[in-house]
Amino acid sequence: DVELVESGGALVQPGGSLRLSCIASGFTFSNYNMNWVRQAPGKGLQWVSYISSAGTVHYADSVRGRFTISRDNTEDSLYLQMNSLRAEDTAIYYCARGVNKNYAGWHFDYWGQGTLVPVSS
Amino acid sequence: QSALTQPASVSGSPGQSITISCTGTSSDIGAYKFVSWYQQHPGKAPKLMIFDVSNRPSGVSYRFSGSKSGNTASLTISGLQAEDEADYYCSSHTSTSTLGIFGGGTKLTVL
Repeated sequence: DVELVESGGALVQPGGSLRLSCIASGFTFSNYNMNWVRQAPGKGLQWVSYISSAGTVHYADSVRGRFTISRDNTEDSLYLQMNSLRAEDTAIYYCARGVNKNYAGWHFDYWGQGTLVPVSS
Repeated sequence: QSALTQPASVSGSPGQSITISCTGTSSDIGAYKFVSWYQQHPGKAPKLMIFDVSNRPSGVSYRFSGSKSGNTASLTISGLQAEDEADYYCSSHTSTSTLGIFGGGTKLTVL
C-alpha cells in the first residue's frame, strides 16, 4: 500500500528555519512528481511546492525565495527546507503524491497524515 | 493569485443530490482539463474524489461525479449519505507562476 509519512514539524520562532521530511513507501518514488500542501488552522488547503520526478521545482508566490523543495530518490524521501518563517506559515504541512512522470495531469492521489508547524514567539 | 471560488456551505437530506460549484478563470479551470476534488473529514488528511474533471479513482463511490463548463467546475453527490458530511475542495492546474490552486472549501452538511 502507498504510504507517506511526514516528520519534522515543531514550534519555531518567527525568522527561524525548519526542515520537513516525507518518507514514501509502497510505490516507485522516482517515477512520481511530489508536492507539499499546507492548511492553516481552521482554513483551507494551499498548494506550497512541487518537484517533478526529474527535479524541476515550482513554488507558491507566498513561499518562493524562502522555501526549498528537494527529493532523494535513493532514499524515497521528499524534503521541504523552510527559512525566514513567518506567523502566517503556521499550518499543517502535507506531503502529497502527484502524477506519474509519464502522465500529464494535476492532482494529488495520496496524502500523508501531515506535520504541524506553529510559528510563534 | 486568488483561490478558486466555492460556496462556503451546502446542505441536503439523505438520499438527495447536491452540487458544489468551483469558479476560476481562463488561466486555470477554463484552460485545462486538470480539475480535481478532495473530501476532508475533521482531523483527517484530504482524499482524492475526482481527477481530470470527471474521473473517479478506484474505490470512490459512483455517487460522486464531476463536470466542467467554461471557467466553472462542479462536483455532484447523489444519494447523499451521512458519511458524506465533510469539507470539499476543488483544485486546478494554472498557467500562472503558481502551478496549482485550490478553492476555499465547501462544508457539506447532511441534514
